[in-house]
Amino acid sequence: DAGVIQSPRHEVTEMGQEVTLRCKPISGHNSLFWYRQTMMRGLELLIYFNNNVPIDDSGMPEDRFSAKMPNASFSTLKIQPSEPRDSAVYFCASRDGTAYGYTFGSGTRLTVV
Amino acid sequence: QKEVEQNSGPLSVPEGAIASLNCTYSDRGSQSFFWYRQYSGKSPELIMSIYSNGDKEDGRFTAQLNKASQYVSLLIRDSQPSDSATYLCAGNYGGSQGNLIFGKGTKLSVKP
Repeated sequence: DAGVIQSPRHEVTEMGQEVTLRCKPISGHNSLFWYRQTMMRGLELLIYFNNNVPIDDSGMPEDRFSAKMPNASFSTLKIQPSEPRDSAVYFCASRDGTAYGYTFGSGTRLTVV
Repeated sequence: QKEVEQNSGPLSVPEGAIASLNCTYSDRGSQSFFWYRQYSGKSPELIMSIYSNGDKEDGRFTAQLNKASQYVSLLIRDSQPSDSATYLCAGNYGGSQGNLIFGKGTKLSVKP
């Protein structure tokens, strides 16, 4: 099993640019989560999907953030326009419906300059 | 407000000692808890889960849950330098369709 696959691993972009982060969950997992991690705030849940349907997006900081899950094997998190305060590590995680623990991807380290 | 609180540390223990990591949670609605280990620059890795009051042992790791006190702990016996990492406590809310709320983590350093 390849695990949860995220791309890119690192992204450096200029303020105002659009950023798209990608995630492929583990095959057969029916829940997908997007988290953001910073030193100050720790791991924060942004949004999660069950069976490709968004369940809770209350953690999405503002309208600049959007997420989609068009099918069971792919999800995107988009930031438009990006700002320096969006700099963080963004993790995607997936879960088998029968288990409560997640498997995390390797993360995307985003730097907005 | 669902919160999971951890002492940020750093917690420093000598090699071979027992490391004790603690966590409290605010919402009695959570029924299951998890400990993740995160090495610097890496992603969190699940190491223990606990659903019932009492102790659960797995190798050198023991998770303890006390729902009355809303308290979760992780004991690491015979600590090794390779155990040096940040340990994240998480509580599940919403059952199998819910999500995990994470504490900010405790940084553990095991000195040779």
